[in-house]
Amino acid sequence: EVQLVESGGGLVQPGGSLRLSCAASGFTFSSYWMSWVRQAPGKGLEWVANIKQDESEKYYVDSVKGRFTISRDNAKTSLYLQMNSLRAEDTAVYYCARGTRGWYNWFDPWGQGTLVTVSS
Amino acid sequence: DIQLTQSPSFLSASVGDRVTITCRASQGISSYLAWYQQKPGKAPKLLIYAASTLQSGVPSRFSGSGSGTEFTLTISSLQPEDFATYYCQQLNSYPYSFGQGTKLEIK
Repeated sequence: EVQLVESGGGLVQPGGSLRLSCAASGFTFSSYWMSWVRQAPGKGLEWVANIKQDESEKYYVDSVKGRFTISRDNAKTSLYLQMNSLRAEDTAVYYCARGTRGWYNWFDPWGQGTLVTVSS
Repeated sequence: DIQLTQSPSFLSASVGDRVTITCRASQGISSYLAWYQQKPGKAPKLLIYAASTLQSGVPSRFSGSGSGTEFTLTISSLQPEDFATYYCQQLNSYPYSFGQGTKLEIK
């Protein structure tokens, strides 16, 4: 069974940092693009970042560029999101999602999500 | 950046109804569009990709069509478990984007 399990969420003060992790299992992790998508409370979905299989390409939504870094460890079948200079507007449930093997990425499956709350 | 606009934002319907949700892109995206279903407190679930390809395991009452800038998701006969929020997503170019969502409620 394909499974994605996020961890690392929590309460952090504005300007603080947090590192999210996503443990993958049930598929050949190194063969797929991987993604982070977030959802603010009561709001819609927002794509955050994508990373290619070998980390040679990374893409971000403008609002997190320079503050967030997506990375992966294929040996550990894990995906990460390092979040720095956090703002109140970064408060959301963060989902890890598997992309595809190719350039065009739809997301399937998704993890259960981890809540990040940025507040003083 | 490509904006996606879904209509309607809210839809009230009954079990057995046929419903259609539209997603319009601000520029052409060929067939690079996906549809997701999300229930309260749950992660989104992929329904359709490449505009019209049904994801494995998704009931055949769901169908997608369109290309370029206009796309539709149709549910041929609503079942109780279909009441949820639906999102379209463009994967044609970065930054990826989602529509604002369509909440499908029981009439």
